Amino acid sequence: GAVVSQHPSWVICKSGTSVKIECRSLDFQATTMFWYRQFPKQSLMLMATSNEGSKATYEQGVEKDKFLINHASLTLSTLTVTSAHPEDSSFYICSARDWAGLIPNSPLHFGNGTRLTVT
Amino acid sequence: AQSVTQLDSQVPVFEEAPVELRCNYSSSVSVYLFWYVQYPNQGLQLLLKYLSGSTLVKGINGFEAEFNKSQTSFHLRKPSVHISDTAEYFCAVTQSPGNTPLVFGKGTRLSVIA
Repeated sequence: GAVVSQHPSWVICKSGTSVKIECRSLDFQATTMFWYRQFPKQSLMLMATSNEGSKATYEQGVEKDKFLINHASLTLSTLTVTSAHPEDSSFYICSARDWAGLIPNSPLHFGNGTRLTVT
Repeated sequence: AQSVTQLDSQVPVFEEAPVELRCNYSSSVSVYLFWYVQYPNQGLQLLLKYLSGSTLVKGINGFEAEFNKSQTSFHLRKPSVHISDTAEYFCAVTQSPGNTPLVFGKGTRLSVIA
């Protein structure tokens, strides 16, 4: 079945550094990927919609200069947390929908998430 | 705009007992509903989905859910839970079958007690 691979699964970085998270669709093409953020014991909040070949669409309150999204190919989207601070520590999850089979109602497939800890 | 309400943040239940996790949604248009399960430090796994047709939807791991349009609900049920069902469960909704994101409820922590 469709698989979304997210890397790394966890990362610890120092305050002020930047961290890149990759999201890959392994056996399907994804023109659109979604990036979610999850705080401990809370729900998933949509951060942005990543569109292949164009600019990402950010949700209200999400700083686009801080959370850089690049969707350079049909199978890869990256989220870069720039100048990370401790408050950016969170669980980041990407997702994508398989459109290859022309199944518009196919559900989102989720990566396993990235646990970011900023010290 | 759509929203999802999961009324119970935590549900403890004894092993082999039945469980129901509640989910209500609000939307002015037709919706598509989903239940996902999340194990610690992992992504989300789809349990089941309602797109159209029969209002009773069966999913994986013995779970089922019933879409009730008049009550705007999509409660998740399992007749007999196992220790391995301990996880976080999220109800989600989208109003379009197109390439739109899901709106998630706040989640319900199911704890199965031996």
